[in-house]
Amino acid sequence: DSGVTQTPKHLITATGQRVTLRCSPRSGDLSVYWYQQSLDQGLQFLIQYYNGEERAKGNILERFSAQQFPDLHSELNLSSLELGDSALYFCASSPAVGSGNTIYFGEGSWLTVV
Amino acid sequence: DAKTTQPTSMDCAEGRAANLPCNHSTISGNEYVYWYRQIHSQGPQYIIHGLKNNETNEMASLIITEDRKSSTLILPHATLRDTAVYYCIVRSTGTASKLTFGTGTRLQVTL
Repeated sequence: DSGVTQTPKHLITATGQRVTLRCSPRSGDLSVYWYQQSLDQGLQFLIQYYNGEERAKGNILERFSAQQFPDLHSELNLSSLELGDSALYFCASSPAVGSGNTIYFGEGSWLTVV
Repeated sequence: DAKTTQPTSMDCAEGRAANLPCNHSTISGNEYVYWYRQIHSQGPQYIIHGLKNNETNEMASLIITEDRKSSTLILPHATLRDTAVYYCIVRSTGTASKLTFGTGTRLQVTL
């Protein structure tokens, strides 16, 4: 158990809908990362937050947004969903920024868009 | 981020040591080498990381060459549960220091 908690574990929704994925980082971790893993692609970095502020952005679609709240939990919002958005979404956390701080991953949220 | 090169797949007999190589010839002096693994579709699991010196923990050992252009992850006594995709990642410095995953090595441990 990495200590990173993601909900829901599985989600099925229709095209055009909007969903919110939630992440609770490890206790004390200030930095949160979101990754997407689809069947035909590897783990893709989406976005990073540190203590409530956005720190880095990857290939995140404009239909997707995220935020980190004062209690440090984070949410990834996916809107106008398309079939191609079906994927595993991972949240990860680390104590601070800087490459010496180990990043730990949650077990992911399976999103299926039908 | 420095690019890494890993073999696509490897086999290892259960109980033997699994040695997974990684080339990172463009690594910068202050970039760390991280190893993660992913079993089926579970979340990537942290294994070990190092900067210059060799490192060992309860899971594995990490051997980094003196010129830092390559490294080897050693699982001393592989079991069937070690079957997974192993990712070698050179992590950039700076405050954004995300992990950039490549395609990794698929390790198959067999009886």
